[in-house]
Amino acid sequence: GENVGLHLPTLSVQEGDNSIINCAYSNSASDYFIWYKQESGKGPQFIIDIRSNMDKRQGQRVTVLLNKTVKHLSLQIAATQPGDSAVYFCAENYMEYGNKLVFGAGTILRVKS
Amino acid sequence: NAGVTQTPKFQVLKTGQSMTLQCAQDMNHEYMSWYRQDPGMGLRLIHYSVGAGITDQGEVPNGYNVSRSTTEDFPLRLLSAAPSQTSVYFCASRRDSLTYGYTFGSGTRLTVV
Repeated sequence: GENVGLHLPTLSVQEGDNSIINCAYSNSASDYFIWYKQESGKGPQFIIDIRSNMDKRQGQRVTVLLNKTVKHLSLQIAATQPGDSAVYFCAENYMEYGNKLVFGAGTILRVKS
Repeated sequence: NAGVTQTPKFQVLKTGQSMTLQCAQDMNHEYMSWYRQDPGMGLRLIHYSVGAGITDQGEVPNGYNVSRSTTEDFPLRLLSAAPSQTSVYFCASRRDSLTYGYTFGSGTRLTVV
C-alpha cells in the first residue's frame, strides 16, 4: 500500500545547528520526491526535489539525500534559522492519479534561539 | 501574477448545507488538484484535473464534486456537508505533465457543525 512516513514527528534544534528530517517511503516505483515546507496558516511551499536516478541534490542551505536501497529520504538544513520553523512534508510522485503526490504526515521543526 | 488563489479563507457550515470552494490560477497551468489536510496527517487528494473539461477522482472523493470549465478555475463543491468534512482544503496547480511539483494556494479552513 501507499506509505510515506516520517521517523520523527517533532524536531527541536538550536539556531545555527544543522537539521536533518527523515522520511521513509514504500513505493519503489516512485520516480520523483519533493520536500515541502508549511508555515502556520499557509499552504505548502516547495523546497527541493530529487529524481529517482539521483542520490543527492543541493539547494541553498538545503540538501536532499535519497537512498533507494532502504527507501529513505532525508532533508538537511544547514545553519538552521528561526524562519525555518515549520512543518516539513516529504512527498513521492505516483504515476496514477495524474502524477499524484503522496504526502507523509509531516515533521514539526522548532528552532530555539 | 497571483499564483493560486482560494476563497473563502474560512467558512462555517451547518450539517447538510452545500457550498463551493473557489480556486483560480493565473499561470496557465494544465493540472489542478484539490487536497484536504487533517490534523496529524498529510495531504490527501480529493479530485484532480489534467486540463479543461477533464476531471477525475483522487483517493477521498466521496461527498465532493468538481468541474473544470476553464483552464483558470477549479471549484470544489460540497454537496451536503458533514462534520467529517471539517478540514483545511488546499488547491494546487502545476504546469503540465512534465512538471511534478505543485504550487499550492493558502487554503480554506472549513468547519462543519
